[in-house]
Parts: sequence; C-alpha cells; structure tokens
Amino acid sequence: SAVISQKPSRDICQRGTSLTIQCQVDSQVTMMFWYRQQPGQSLTLIATANQGSEATYESGFVIDKFPISRPNLTFSTLTVSNMSPEDSSIYLCSVEGEWGNYGYTFGSGTRLTVV
Amino acid sequence: GENVEQHPSTLSVQEGDSAVIKCTYSDSASNYFPWYKQELGKGPQLIIDIRSNVGEKKDQRIAVTLNKTAKHFSLHITETQPEDSAVYFCAASISNAGNMLTFGGGTRLMVKP
Repeated sequence: SAVISQKPSRDICQRGTSLTIQCQVDSQVTMMFWYRQQPGQSLTLIATANQGSEATYESGFVIDKFPISRPNLTFSTLTVSNMSPEDSSIYLCSVEGEWGNYGYTFGSGTRLTVV
Repeated sequence: GENVEQHPSTLSVQEGDSAVIKCTYSDSASNYFPWYKQELGKGPQLIIDIRSNVGEKKDQRIAVTLNKTAKHFSLHITETQPEDSAVYFCAASISNAGNMLTFGGGTRLMVKP
C-alpha cells in the first residue's frame, strides 16, 4: 500500500490566518482525498482532488475556505483559510489502493488548533 | 447519499474476551466495507475489509461478516489484548475509482488487563 507523508503534524494558529497542509505519496495515485476529523468525532470528507482538474467539494465545504492544489500525481495541499476556533480539527489526506485493492491509506494527520 | 451507523460508541472488555462492533449502511449499491483502527495521535489504519461478494473474512484474531440483505456488517475481535484498545471505524463505499468512503461514528474499545 502507498506510504503517505503529511506535514505539519500539528500546529497552533491565530484566528484569521491560513495554514497549508502538505500530503506527499510515495507512488502515483489518481485520486487524493482530504478529510476533517473534529475532536472526538468521525471522519468527514472535505473534497476529492484529481490531478489536473478542480477539486470536488462535499456539501458544507467551499473552495474559498479550503483551497486545494494537486500539481502532480504524488502531491497535494489543503489550505485552511481565515481560520476560526471552529476549524480546530485533525485534517487527513487519503489515497485509494491500487487497482483491485481498494484499501484506502491515510496519512498520520495534521492536528490543528486555532486560538 | 450513503449513511453508516455504528454501535456501540464505547465498548469495554476484559483481556481475552471477544469484542463485536456492528455497522449498518443505507445504500444497497455499496459494495466495499473496510474497518479502520485509529490510535491516539495517528491516522486511521486499515485492519480488514470485505467486498459484497463475500460473506465473511478472517485475518488471525479479526473477522468481518457481511449481511447484504440486512445491510449490516460486523467486526469481531477474539482474544482481545490491551494493544487492541483504540477507536475503530467502519466505512462503506461504492467501489469504483474515485468513490469516497462514508464512515461510521466510531467505537472506542477499551481492553482491561
């Protein structure tokens, strides 16, 4: 399965600022997924990022708040913009498994605290 | 869209006992059902998965069963150990390229030594 490196692992940010989270995969993947995990909660999909096209956002998430870049088949970034304390969460990137093996792999996550 | 319900939300067992976590899903088109284990400060790790053409799958102390008619699937952990303590998530997906996972609410499993 793919190995995902996610940075930063944690950060404490001031409200009103932005943070960009990086996700690097050790193999080429078509789709990358960004999830949010609020404290003590399950995972909610933010958007799906396909290389060379605009990300597809889930209901409740908008591009202005969570812009995503996908410059190549091994890398993606998620920016959390104009942060408020409600954005304090763990943000995770994920990739699907190789063809025939649908085991989605997750990065270790970015624990964001907004003060 | 898909909705996945997971029960119980917390589960406490004695070391050596079995643990069972149950999930139901709403979309009959879902055909892929993974289970993830998340330890504190880490991302979810896939522990076992099952596809809709299979009723049961085992991997050492872990097994998953699927009832397509009733639209529910379960995780069974036998001979639990303290290192099994974690949060477990079930998920469902329509397994074509690019189809995302819908997660259950999670179960916090505590194994008492």
